[in-house]
Amino acid sequence: NAGVTQTPKFQVLKTGQSMTLQCAQDMNHNSMYWYRQDPGMGLRLIYYSASEGTTDKGEVPNGYNVSRLNKREFSLRLESAAPSQTSVYFCASRDRNNSPLHFGNGTRLTVT
Amino acid sequence: GENVEQHPSTLSVQEGDSAVIKCTYSDSASNYFPWYKQELGKRPQLIIDIRSNVGEKKDQRIAVTLNKTAKHFSLHITETQPEDSAVYFCAASKDGSARQLTFGSGTQLTVLP
Repeated sequence: NAGVTQTPKFQVLKTGQSMTLQCAQDMNHNSMYWYRQDPGMGLRLIYYSASEGTTDKGEVPNGYNVSRLNKREFSLRLESAAPSQTSVYFCASRDRNNSPLHFGNGTRLTVT
Repeated sequence: GENVEQHPSTLSVQEGDSAVIKCTYSDSASNYFPWYKQELGKRPQLIIDIRSNVGEKKDQRIAVTLNKTAKHFSLHITETQPEDSAVYFCAASKDGSARQLTFGSGTQLTVLP
């Protein structure tokens, strides 16, 4: 039982490049989330998926797209990376409302 | 929407002393309050949570208290140890909300040897 697995762990992009961050969970959780973490700003929600087949915007969705491929997988795509997207990205999942979030190990993204 | 404020932003204590971190929330319908610990370079991990039908919960050196009337909850760590040094986040959510936990901005706790 690996929990929440994110790939890659580190990534450097040039402005304008695109990439997809991958996330998979093996806990049969319904809800999945993408957060970004910047110094002094805590965890901010980018997008979430309450169940397979649904996705919704969070607090800071601009510049990102997501896909809930199936119940296990939830990917985050940057179509045209900008330096402001330099951050640590965490994927998380939980079984139901008002249950604990389980986080992946994070992806450290740098956009130059 | 929900707003969670967390204080202090940094806290230094001597090893063996107690540490208290406080959070206030705005939505009286919130009824689930977890606390996460994030060590440097690691992912946030749940350390304790409380639901609104109880006022206090303990787990060894860690306790959380909830005051629903005042809409605030606190994390208490007793007999602090160097390995308690980390960033601590509080959060709040309510039934029926798949959207998110609303997180506080975090407290950097440093335990001085």
